[in-house]
Amino acid sequence: SQQGEEDPQALSIQEGENATMNCSYKTSINNLQWYRQNSGRGLVHLILIRSNEREKHSGRLRVTLDTSKKSSSLLITASRAADTASYFCAINYGQNFVFGPGTRLSVLP
Amino acid sequence: EAGVTQFPSHSVIEKGQTVTLRCDPISGHDNLYWYRRVMGKEIKFLLHFVKESKQDESGMPNNRFLAERTGGTYSTLKVQPAELEDSGVYFCASSHGAGVTQYFGPGTRLTVL
Repeated sequence: SQQGEEDPQALSIQEGENATMNCSYKTSINNLQWYRQNSGRGLVHLILIRSNEREKHSGRLRVTLDTSKKSSSLLITASRAADTASYFCAINYGQNFVFGPGTRLSVLP
Repeated sequence: EAGVTQFPSHSVIEKGQTVTLRCDPISGHDNLYWYRRVMGKEIKFLLHFVKESKQDESGMPNNRFLAERTGGTYSTLKVQPAELEDSGVYFCASSHGAGVTQYFGPGTRLTVL
């Protein structure tokens, strides 16, 4: 299966803590993207990381990619209640994307 | 710039009925994608248009689903006849090129009773 797999499936932390979510995949990729989905809304693009990149930052978000381990991680620092959402990795093998089941993050005030 | 829009936002129909979902991509985006998320499961790819042509429809579950993109602008996804297992959220996304950042619409929540 080429499906991305996120872990953990659910994560609950206190406001101010850091949250780390992981995504694993099975074959070589072109790029990998992270998306956020707030309850009842569409997916919001967070970061795209290419296969030749190892780390990217955007505000409080940090994404790493380890192609030798076929895995990526999304770190959210200094979490806020507004970060509560589902986070998905999307693996690009060619023209299309394969999504994982997502990690449900709850940030408690 | 307007984002991807989808209509309707919710649809509740009975088994056996027909439903048509619409997606308006970001203006100028040749690539348009349909995805579906069934309750609690992963987001699954349905198909990919480049302009008005179907580039990849390998994710379409069966012949009850028909997608069109006449004129290469908006797209419709018709389910006929709808079955209970078709319930879920249908997302549309568009992008400039293939394999680059996709911009998603808010989705259409379909409930088949």
